[in-house]
Amino acid sequence: AQSVTQPDIHITVSEGASLELRCNYSYGATPYLFWYVQSPGQGLQLLLKYFSGDTLVQGIKGFEAEFKRSQSSFNLRKPSVHWSDAAEYFCAVGHRGSTLGRLYFGRGTQLTVWP
Amino acid sequence: KAGVTQTPRYLIKTRGQQVTLSCSPISGHRSVSWYQQTPGQGLQFLFEYFSETQRNKGNFPGRFSGRQFSNSRSEMNVSTLELGDSALYLCASSLDGGGGPNEQFFGPGTRLTVL
Repeated sequence: AQSVTQPDIHITVSEGASLELRCNYSYGATPYLFWYVQSPGQGLQLLLKYFSGDTLVQGIKGFEAEFKRSQSSFNLRKPSVHWSDAAEYFCAVGHRGSTLGRLYFGRGTQLTVWP
Repeated sequence: KAGVTQTPRYLIKTRGQQVTLSCSPISGHRSVSWYQQTPGQGLQFLFEYFSETQRNKGNFPGRFSGRQFSNSRSEMNVSTLELGDSALYLCASSLDGGGGPNEQFFGPGTRLTVL
């Protein structure tokens, strides 16, 4: 069965510090990979996506993520966190083929940013 | 271009009632997916509609149903509400050009509270 694991439920960082949020997936082939962010009371906003090609992808708000096939990982990074980055972050996996319209989500990582 | 809109934003119902939620996708998007988000279960896929046909279905009871209209707008219905149906219901639309997966764009959600 497909699964997405975000091992860190809650992360706290100081403003200006670097950030890495972890995501591991279980799937037999290379999936489509996404990172979304959700602010309180809001829907999900797409930060970045990986379909194929260059394994380091750039997203909005200064975020980047690296796909590592050997580790089945797609970790999200940001070199310097801003207070406005405090939110919940979700990693998601989509499959090639008939389940195009379905995403599998991790449980999310809540990010707190200290001033 | 307007984003995904969901109405109503908030709903309070009592057990045993039924509810209908509405979703208007981004103009030109033909695929609409629905997700349920709860603190206990996270984000779970309900179903996806494409060209007025249900293309994918998650593991939810038959009380949860949906449909899509010719203008791609979608509705989901929950009958005989239970306390456990209290959740944020998120709708997402994608272009679905047929060449591969398209990122899903989420609406702000409908917060359903069942008393």
